[in-house]
Amino acid sequence: GQQLNQSPQSMFIQEGEDVSMNCTSSSIFNTWLWYKQEPGEGPVLLIALYKAGELTSNGRLTAQFGITRKDSFLNISASIPSDVGIYFCAGNPTNFGNEKLTFGTGTRLTIIP
Amino acid sequence: DGGITQSPKYLFRKEGQNVTLSCEQNLNHDAMYWYRQDPGQGLRLIYYSQIVNDFQKGDIAEGYSVSREKKESFPLTVTSAQKNPTAFYLCASSPWDRGATGELFFGEGSRLTVL
Repeated sequence: GQQLNQSPQSMFIQEGEDVSMNCTSSSIFNTWLWYKQEPGEGPVLLIALYKAGELTSNGRLTAQFGITRKDSFLNISASIPSDVGIYFCAGNPTNFGNEKLTFGTGTRLTIIP
Repeated sequence: DGGITQSPKYLFRKEGQNVTLSCEQNLNHDAMYWYRQDPGQGLRLIYYSQIVNDFQKGDIAEGYSVSREKKESFPLTVTSAQKNPTAFYLCASSPWDRGATGELFFGEGSRLTVL
């Protein structure tokens, strides 16, 4: 299957800092999504992007669909303790059906007191 | 409240035993999915179903079986043929009429440990 390279694998930051993470693919996607997973829970959708170049915000979160359609970025501003978790990118190469959805390996965010 | 319910949350199994993980949704979604999650890896698709009485293999279906007798239910059986069954299993659903949006609604997961 397709491979999604997500970086960094983990981040240790202090409360109030901004966070940036990204995903790159060897092939084109039609949809990019960002999910967050907290310990022992299922992932929850944060942001969905449907158009190359699209920049979308959800509160302190901002994500972009890369112009080449092979990458996406997620930024979190002014991090707070509840931002802790694993962030997954996901890409869909088709416009019909979610069975081809590919997930990145995740970025684990830890906030240092 | 609408959502997806997975049970049990934790399950221990001896080698050679089959186990069935339950997944129920009251979101009226047509499509349902089973994913496997291992540490440091992305979610991998085991099986999916777009409609009642029909399901398709995903990327890692070997050693697993499913059924979709009701729209609300999509149980997963981990058989003794699965060589490395210890993992976190996630069930998800999506409304089919919204096409390939990638917007999946996940359950809380079931952690299976083989002793």
